[in-house]
Amino acid sequence: GQQLNQSPQSMFIQEGEDVSMNCTSSSIFNTWLWYKQDPGEGPVLLIALYKAGELTSNGRLTAQFGITRKDSFLNISASIPSDVGIYFCAGPVSAGGTSYGKLTFGQGTILTVHP
Amino acid sequence: GAGVSQSPSNKVTEKGKDVELRCDPISGHTALYWYRQSLGQGLEFLIYFQGNSAPDKSGLPSDRFSAERTGGSVSTLTIQRTQQEDSAVYLCASSSNLGNQPQHFGDGTRLSIL
Repeated sequence: GQQLNQSPQSMFIQEGEDVSMNCTSSSIFNTWLWYKQDPGEGPVLLIALYKAGELTSNGRLTAQFGITRKDSFLNISASIPSDVGIYFCAGPVSAGGTSYGKLTFGQGTILTVHP
Repeated sequence: GAGVSQSPSNKVTEKGKDVELRCDPISGHTALYWYRQSLGQGLEFLIYFQGNSAPDKSGLPSDRFSAERTGGSVSTLTIQRTQQEDSAVYLCASSSNLGNQPQHFGDGTRLSIL
């Protein structure tokens, strides 16, 4: 099946540093989604990407949909303590060019920010 | 409320008991999804509903798991004869339709099987 490989698994950074994480797949995805999950809560959508090559920003967050449609990255600039959490990439499962609603998720990147 | 609502937020039960988890999707969202998240893991798809179509049950791990969606809105996930490996956070999401519309998640039900 379609799997997403997300890296790194965890990051420990100082407040103010920039962060980069990425997802890769052996399969093509038509959509890439980036979610953040805080402890005890459900994932919250950060950025949605719909076109190969698309670069989208949301405040200090920037994400890109790879040209090959098999990868995506998420950057966080000037990190702050509230950026702590687990970041997931996700994409809709597809077959024969048709995307289905169910999502497949990466394993997550645990981000720790030291003040 | 404005978001996806799940209840209970926590459930502790003994092995062998049946449990029911409830999800209220965002009003007007026609698609509803259930996922499972084991400790330290990503989300695993279980089942989804779209309007009046037959649900996609391809992610249900065993026949002890079932779900229904009444009136195209509220959904209930039922686990019969619970096992310790069923312990996880069960997350519900909804979206306005299939395809590329983003899914919005509830805060989940944390299920612990003793």
